[in-house]
Amino acid sequence: GAVVSQHPSRVICKSGTSVKIECRSLDFQATTMFWYRQFPKQSLMLMATSNEGSKATYEQGVEKDKFLINHASLTLSTLTVTSAHPEDSSFYICSASGVRQGSSSYEQYFGPGTRLTVT
Amino acid sequence: RKEVEQDPGPFNVPEGATVAFNCTYSNSASQSFFWYRQDCRKEPKLLMSVYSSGNEDGRFTAQLNRASQYISLLIRDSKLSDSATYLCVVNWGDSSYKLIFGSGTRLLVRP
Repeated sequence: GAVVSQHPSRVICKSGTSVKIECRSLDFQATTMFWYRQFPKQSLMLMATSNEGSKATYEQGVEKDKFLINHASLTLSTLTVTSAHPEDSSFYICSASGVRQGSSSYEQYFGPGTRLTVT
Repeated sequence: RKEVEQDPGPFNVPEGATVAFNCTYSNSASQSFFWYRQDCRKEPKLLMSVYSSGNEDGRFTAQLNRASQYISLLIRDSKLSDSATYLCVVNWGDSSYKLIFGSGTRLLVRP
């Protein structure tokens, strides 16, 4: 079954509004969560790395004031796209890194993604 | 040079064919290597990790050549359900959980 959930799966919003995307690890504690963005026919691009209880580390070229990340607990991270514009329309995917019960190694599990369309 | 480089394809093969994908990576300090599969408009799913000695999982065989910084994936007896984009993924550095994704190789298996 799914180990990482994302909500919402799809959202359409107007230009200038903010959108919050939630990422939850369902059966393990994720010490680190990652946020990716994928444009059509392109690969996943890492936006930021989020550690529980500390500030996120953003990749070069990603505006931290525009993409607000909060990782308040070991099972929840949120990404807020502030003042969204049409060019922010993309597929946003989170992943959670940790050790699931019954496993002995760190693995990264991906959420199902959120398709954002800004009109 | 791209951090992880793949041939975008598409590879168009008949059912039952054997097909191989290659990938090169630029960071010699990388220690973890994976092949992910991504279906259209879905999230990537881990297909298999790639170990130094090479490893096999059913019809899938992965190989790693550290000296050449090269990874391969071989699919035998292709099924229609194998049609997808295959992503070569490498961790960034020797102790990082940060993953770098290749742009993917598209596979189309035809009846």
